Amino acid sequence: TQLLEQSPQFLSIQEGENLTVYCNSSSVFSSLQWYRQEPGEGPVLLVTVVTGGEVKKLKRLTFQFGDARKDSSLHITAAQPGDTGLYLCAGNYGGSQGNLIFGKGTKLSVKP
Amino acid sequence: ETGVTQTPRHLVMGMTNKKSLKCEQHLGHNAMYWYKQSAKKPLELMFVYNFKEQTENNSVPSRFSPECPNSSHLFLHLHTLQPEDSALYLCASSHQQTGSYEQYFGPGTRLTVT
Repeated sequence: TQLLEQSPQFLSIQEGENLTVYCNSSSVFSSLQWYRQEPGEGPVLLVTVVTGGEVKKLKRLTFQFGDARKDSSLHITAAQPGDTGLYLCAGNYGGSQGNLIFGKGTKLSVKP
Repeated sequence: ETGVTQTPRHLVMGMTNKKSLKCEQHLGHNAMYWYKQSAKKPLELMFVYNFKEQTENNSVPSRFSPECPNSSHLFLHLHTLQPEDSALYLCASSHQQTGSYEQYFGPGTRLTVT
């Protein structure tokens, strides 16, 4: 069974701080996605990474895909209360139909 | 309407009721998915439809019955559910193409079984 481990599980920080969350697996991904989910809503796609070593930036968010395509990280600079939410990573192992395996998520709370 | 919509947003049902969840996507995608999201568990894939054909059923109990009449609509029929089936049920869609499996989610239906 393929598993995606996300850490930390919970993170509570003050506005303006930086943070990094991690997504790890023992298996190789063909692609990996990061989503943010707010309470009572569905996950919203933030980014897809495909190439080992790839770095993508989305405003204050920086996403990195490990060289071996087994892990990924999300770094947020100068966090704001609007960044609060559940951050999910989801990996595709190249299996049938492009089905995704999701991690349990990191629940981020940014206090003003 | 744009994106992926789901109705109802909230549903409370007894264990002997029959109800249906509806999902509609306006993105021109050809694959649709049902997921279950429970507290402290990862998103669990339940069913996958590709071009209206069911391609995956992840050992889901028969009290959950999916239906996909066309590539834009997906239903989840519910009957004789158990309290442990209470969860957020999410629908997603994607355009299947090599190397890109981005899924777009609806807002979910919060189901409570009493």
